[in-house]
Amino acid sequence: DQQVKQNSPSLSVQEGRISILNCDYTNSMFDYFLWYKKYPAEGPTFLISISSIKDKNEDGRFTVFLNKSAKHLSLHIVPSQPGDSAVYFCAASEAGTYKYIFGTGTRLKVLA
Amino acid sequence: EADIYQTPRYLVIGTGKKITLECSQTMGHDKMYWYQQDPGMELHLIHYSYGVNSTEKGDLSSESTVSRIRTEHFPLTLESARPSHTSQYLCASSEFSTGELFFGEGSRLTVL
Repeated sequence: DQQVKQNSPSLSVQEGRISILNCDYTNSMFDYFLWYKKYPAEGPTFLISISSIKDKNEDGRFTVFLNKSAKHLSLHIVPSQPGDSAVYFCAASEAGTYKYIFGTGTRLKVLA
Repeated sequence: EADIYQTPRYLVIGTGKKITLECSQTMGHDKMYWYQQDPGMELHLIHYSYGVNSTEKGDLSSESTVSRIRTEHFPLTLESARPSHTSQYLCASSEFSTGELFFGEGSRLTVL
């Protein structure tokens, strides 16, 4: 039973356009969400996080939106750059547990 | 900047060998984690620790074992490696208050 789902295994976007990566979750007890970026043969790198008390968090080109009623979050990258090409994972954590459940990832390819 | 180190980065061994994957962090983080990831799949939590002398099994059953004798060190051991253990193993740590996970670069294990 997958509690965190990324239903799009891959996404291609033109350089300079917006990339939107989606993530759905089933556990209503999750209260902290993170996005990670991963290059091949490297460990994931933290990008941005959001607490369930917020519905939006912004950091430079990266914005995460949280829709608690829909149990959905999305990562927006604008403008997209070729260096953004990587696999993006969303992760969720339940209050007090500090255990993180990861999705299967979405491979983003930004075309020059 | 995160300082978490994993060795070896790559390991190819024969069936039945005992191996230990090392993970060390210099940030004084209480929480440490081991994740296993197969290509195109989510990161599965196999072990975690809340502090010295504390270890817990994760959501994915694993034949590996871990120990946490020192805050900075969280090694993972396989007593008798099998081809089914071939995977990438990712170590992570977090500071109790912030919740962000910092990952090492991973250890890619191949068992022949």
